[in-house]
Amino acid sequence: AQSVAQPEDQVNVAEGNPLTVKCTYSVSGNPYLFWYVQYPNRGLQFLLKYITGDNLVKGSYGFEAEFNKSQTSFHLKKPSALVSDSALYFCAVRPGYSSASKIIFGSGTRLSIRP
Amino acid sequence: DAMVIQNPRYQVTQFGKPVTLSCSQTLNHNVMYWYQQKSSQAPKLLFHYYDKDFNNEADTPDNFQSRRPNTSFCFLDIRSPGLGDAAMYLCATGGRDTQYFGPGTRLTVL
Repeated sequence: AQSVAQPEDQVNVAEGNPLTVKCTYSVSGNPYLFWYVQYPNRGLQFLLKYITGDNLVKGSYGFEAEFNKSQTSFHLKKPSALVSDSALYFCAVRPGYSSASKIIFGSGTRLSIRP
Repeated sequence: DAMVIQNPRYQVTQFGKPVTLSCSQTLNHNVMYWYQQKSSQAPKLLFHYYDKDFNNEADTPDNFQSRRPNTSFCFLDIRSPGLGDAAMYLCATGGRDTQYFGPGTRLTVL
């Protein structure tokens, strides 16, 4: 079965420290991978994606993610966290074989940055 | 500029009273999606349109219907809302390589 796992419900980091939000996936083919962020009472906001090419992808607000095919992971990272980064983060994947555009979401990780 | 617009942002309805949520997109994408999201859970796909081709998810209740009169607009109709239908409803559009979401409509059922 196709799936996306975000093993941490919550990640707590001090402002200025690096942060990592973990994501692993299990899909067939070469997947398209995404990270979205959601602030309270808002829709999902696109952060970054991996389609092909360089395994390190840079996105909005200083975030980046590293695609690791052997570990089937796509962890989200930021070198120096800001309090304003506190939000709910979703990893998502679209199976590469699929001609449709449906994507599979992880369960979400709540990121909390303390001042 | 907003690419996916949802109205209203907040909707209150009574148990059993039909309600319609609307979505419009300025990207001219041929695919539009409706998701239901409950209390910080992952969004759950209800259905999507590829042009006028409607694709219902197998576990979407019959209580939920959708209309897409043209490329730009898509509506979610809840025929008889129950308390369990209280949620955030997200509209999205996009292609194979990304989806763009609207701000959502938070539905309250009294």
